[in-house]
Amino acid sequence: GAVVSQHPSWVICKSGTSVKIECRSLDFQATTMFWYRQFPKQSLMLMATSNEGSKATYEQGVEKDKFLINHASLTLSTLTVTSAHPEDSSFYICSARGQGDSGANVLTFGAGSRLTVL
Amino acid sequence: QKEVEQDPGPLSVPEGAIVSLNCTYSNSAFQYFMWYRQYSRKGPELLMYTYSSGNKEDGRFTAQVDKSSKYISLFIRDSQPSDSATYLCAMTNTGNQFYFGTGTSLTVIP
Repeated sequence: GAVVSQHPSWVICKSGTSVKIECRSLDFQATTMFWYRQFPKQSLMLMATSNEGSKATYEQGVEKDKFLINHASLTLSTLTVTSAHPEDSSFYICSARGQGDSGANVLTFGAGSRLTVL
Repeated sequence: QKEVEQDPGPLSVPEGAIVSLNCTYSNSAFQYFMWYRQYSRKGPELLMYTYSSGNKEDGRFTAQVDKSSKYISLFIRDSQPSDSATYLCAMTNTGNQFYFGTGTSLTVIP
């Protein structure tokens, strides 16, 4: 089945530094990737949608200059949290949508990345 | 009105019980329906994927879609403690946007 690899699974950084999270589709080409943020015991909150080769579309209220998303290839998307602050501490999850009849209408998720900003 | 409604629970059942999880939705254009299982501090894992109305079975899991009632269900037979997790329903019409329920927290007691 489809597999999405997300790294790192856990990162701790100092306030003011930037952190990059990678999301790779291992066995399929992902035309679209979605980035979510999840707070404890809450549901997924869509942050942005990225399509390969074009700029990401951010949800209302999400700062695009703080959360930089790059989808440079059909198998890789990255989320960079710039100048991170403690309030950015959260669980970030990526998902990928494939191609074709069987892949275009289902999402495969990565394992998530826990960010702690000190 | 939310696009997708899901009872958050929590739901607690004894081991071996049949579990029924449900979602309702408002957009009749939705055609593709998914159920995900999410363990604490992990990404959601796809359990079932169905297209349009009908039933689909995979081991102890059965997914049902009733488009006329805008209602989907996930049944878990012979529930196990390892089934304890949050279950999310999701749906889409074109694959450009996916709509999720808030998730139902399930605990299976040994």
